[in-house]
Amino acid sequence: AQSVTQPDIHITVSEGASLELRCNYSYGATPYLFWYVQSPGQGLQLLLKYFSGDTLVQGIKGFEAEFKRSQSSFNLRKPSVHWSDAAEYFCAVGDGDDKIIFGKGTRLHILP
Amino acid sequence: DGGITQSPKYLFRKEGQNVTLSCEQNLNHDAMYWYRQDPGQGLRLIYYSQIVNDFQKGDIAEGYSVSREKKESFPLTVTSAQKNPTAFYLCASGTIHNEQFFGPGTRLTVL
Repeated sequence: AQSVTQPDIHITVSEGASLELRCNYSYGATPYLFWYVQSPGQGLQLLLKYFSGDTLVQGIKGFEAEFKRSQSSFNLRKPSVHWSDAAEYFCAVGDGDDKIIFGKGTRLHILP
Repeated sequence: DGGITQSPKYLFRKEGQNVTLSCEQNLNHDAMYWYRQDPGQGLRLIYYSQIVNDFQKGDIAEGYSVSREKKESFPLTVTSAQKNPTAFYLCASGTIHNEQFFGPGTRLTVL
């Protein structure tokens, strides 16, 4: 069965610092991988996705993620965070069939 | 503009009442989904539908019901059998490869 683990419930970084949010998945074949962002009281917005090909994917808002098959990871990165990046981030994995599994999320706090 | 709309944004339910949450999409997606979100729990799948007039239970379907009479619409009814319905409900529609697009959500509170 598929599963997704986001080991960090909360992460705090200073504005302008770099960011890495961790995501590990469990799936037998090559998965479809996603990162979503959610502001309080809002729906989820897709940041980026990996289906195949280049393992480093670029997304919106300056985010990128790298698929590492050997580590079963799909970590999200940003070189310099802005106060507006404070939100909750969800990693998700799909099998290309009918549904995807979400991690429990990582809440990002930004220090001024 | 293409997208997903959910209404109402806030909903209050009395004990023993059924309530229906609306979800409409104009993205021409075949698949639609309902999720429940509780603090610290992530998103849990309630029901999903891949085609009109067909739907499947997700992980937490008890106390909920859905219909899919039109491709654009996938309403969710929270029945009185759902003992703890207070939560944030998210609707999504999906493409191939599981890519999903979300609505703005409905916050349901039991009074």
